[in-house]
Amino acid sequence: EPEVTQTPSHQVTQMGQEVILRCVPISNHLYFYWYRQILGQKVEFLVSFYNNEISEKSEIFDDQFSVERPDGSNFTLKIRSTKLEDSAMYFCASRGLSYEQYFGPGTRLTVT
Amino acid sequence: SQQGEEDPQALSIQEGENATMNCSYKTSINNLQWYRQNSGRGLVHLILIRSNEREKHSGRLRVTLDTSKKSSSLLITASRAADTASYFCATVLTDSWGKLQFGAGTQVVVTP
Repeated sequence: EPEVTQTPSHQVTQMGQEVILRCVPISNHLYFYWYRQILGQKVEFLVSFYNNEISEKSEIFDDQFSVERPDGSNFTLKIRSTKLEDSAMYFCASRGLSYEQYFGPGTRLTVT
Repeated sequence: SQQGEEDPQALSIQEGENATMNCSYKTSINNLQWYRQNSGRGLVHLILIRSNEREKHSGRLRVTLDTSKKSSSLLITASRAADTASYFCATVLTDSWGKLQFGAGTQVVVTP
């Protein structure tokens, strides 16, 4: 069964460093999303991506964040200058024409 | 902003019992979905109910939706130890790109 994959599973970085989180969505899906979950808190929407552009973004998704789908299969989230408060699980998700989303296993980002 | 809020926050039951959790939301929705998350893992889609539907079944799951009360319930019948997880409701607003707005979740523990 097709699944969404994410790499790395765990990323440790120092404050101020750039990180790139990678996702491979399900191949025939059209809509792509990033969410994050700070430990003990609810899952929060970051950004949605459709037709090679951002379709919607949250207040969290400021100028430090960017997304890209460079080659038609990978979907990346870049954080330019990480802060301590960026420490969280980051989930990628994708969907086709139906609204149900398929989530990857997540990348745990730890900013020290 | 639109958010689903679940209750109870935690639920502890024995195998074979039914588990019921509720979700409330604030504004008009296109659909409401339930997801499950095992500790530290990704989210798994369970069931989607559209705003014009009142009840839906999938295996041991039964979901209801009352748009007049802006609430939904998830019933898991004949629970098993493997049902131990956190359960989240998530709403998709009308006129959105499908972003999910999650509640805080209900932690369900099923003891053998």
